[in-house]
Amino acid sequence: NAGVMQNPRHLVRRRGQEARLRCSPMKGHSHVYWYRQLPEEGLKFMVYLQKENIIDESGMPKERFSAEFPKEGPSILRIQQVVRGDSAAYFCASSPLGPGGLDGYTFGSGTRLTVV
Amino acid sequence: AQTVTQSQPEMSVQEAETVTLSCTYDTSESNYYLFWYKQPPSRQMILVIRQEAYKQQNATENRFSVNFQKAAKSFSLKISDSQLGDTAMYFCAFMKRSGGSNYKLTFGKGTLLTVNP
Repeated sequence: NAGVMQNPRHLVRRRGQEARLRCSPMKGHSHVYWYRQLPEEGLKFMVYLQKENIIDESGMPKERFSAEFPKEGPSILRIQQVVRGDSAAYFCASSPLGPGGLDGYTFGSGTRLTVV
Repeated sequence: AQTVTQSQPEMSVQEAETVTLSCTYDTSESNYYLFWYKQPPSRQMILVIRQEAYKQQNATENRFSVNFQKAAKSFSLKISDSQLGDTAMYFCAFMKRSGGSNYKLTFGKGTLLTVNP
């Protein structure tokens, strides 16, 4: 049973380009969470999705960032018109249960985005 | 809002010795979970140990144990018989158990642990 798969592992984008980060949750997991890790910082919550629904996007910047988790396929975190400040590691996690479950998250290995 | 503080940016320990990493948190919640995650150079976030706040008994997982002091809002991690593979960044994290947003992990800034041979 493969873990949470994120790709690409490394992504380099020029300022103004779009970045698309993909996350395939563990088999049987229908809850997906995205976190961002800035240099020298812990992970910070961005968005929580279930299939075809955004449950909580309170941690996501209002502009340029969007996320989806379609009925089929991986969850996508999209960053439009990237700026240098978007450079960070972006982690996806999935869980089998909804809120309150101590089964907890399984994290992917993250995508390191570098904006040049 | 919850906050998690790790006051030790870096620590080092000799192989086979014991080390304790500190974590304090601030919350008005009474029902919550606490976690320690390990992030080695591979960047993978690995769950080390977790504690349910309503349980008084400290959690233990092999060489890893916690000292959970609920009144003091302290949650330290003790690593016994340190091994070279324990070298990593360690993050303390908090999650509400019920109510709104009981799925968000709030992380501290981390402690970089180096185990020396």
